[in-house]
Amino acid sequence: KAGVTQTPRYLIKTRGQQVTLSCSPISGHRSVSWYQQTPGQGLQFLFEYFSETQRNKGNFPGRFSGRQFSNSRSEMNVSTLELGDSALYLCASSPTVSAQGETQYFGPGTRLLVL
Amino acid sequence: AQSVTQLDSQVPVFEEAPVELRCNYSSSVSVYLFWYVQYPNQGLQLLLKYLSGSTLVKGINGFEAEFNKSQTSFHLRKPSVHISDTAEYFCAVTLSGGYQKVTFGTGTKLQVIP
Repeated sequence: KAGVTQTPRYLIKTRGQQVTLSCSPISGHRSVSWYQQTPGQGLQFLFEYFSETQRNKGNFPGRFSGRQFSNSRSEMNVSTLELGDSALYLCASSPTVSAQGETQYFGPGTRLLVL
Repeated sequence: AQSVTQLDSQVPVFEEAPVELRCNYSSSVSVYLFWYVQYPNQGLQLLLKYLSGSTLVKGINGFEAEFNKSQTSFHLRKPSVHISDTAEYFCAVTLSGGYQKVTFGTGTKLQVIP
């Protein structure tokens, strides 16, 4: 099976712009979670989608949003970019919701640089 | 809410020496515990996980971890490390049941010295 894929791999944006990141889960996986990874902060949970519904949300401002499509592919959007949004954004998929002890399978991430 | 503490941000160790990476969690209810590894410029992959049963969990690449409920710890160990184990290791916890998020620690960078 193909792994989790994320596009694009690298992005450079300027403050105030918006960005959309895409994640394609492993075939058959219905849950997709998004994380922001920055040095020293580890992985910060953004949100999790399962069957097109947001099941959980982390402590991020409303500028961060996401959605999941019927084929389980997911997108996340960040509007009005700030310098502090520079990070590696990781997507992870699992067969069912991650809280049921499921293993999460991570993509390689999208590295976002905000200038 | 649950939380995870990885006290050591970096751990240097000589090749073929043993290593222990520490992880403590806080939760008053049942939890699931995980260790993930991230190699440079890659995503994370699962090393091992504890759901229930035996408190000693064996994972890939010779790693193992022991769940200690009284000390709320889930330390990762390997008896003899290899250069290829150089990576960042993340401990994670989630509450069992329902739609609970997975909380990750801040990571421990293991540097294996030849």
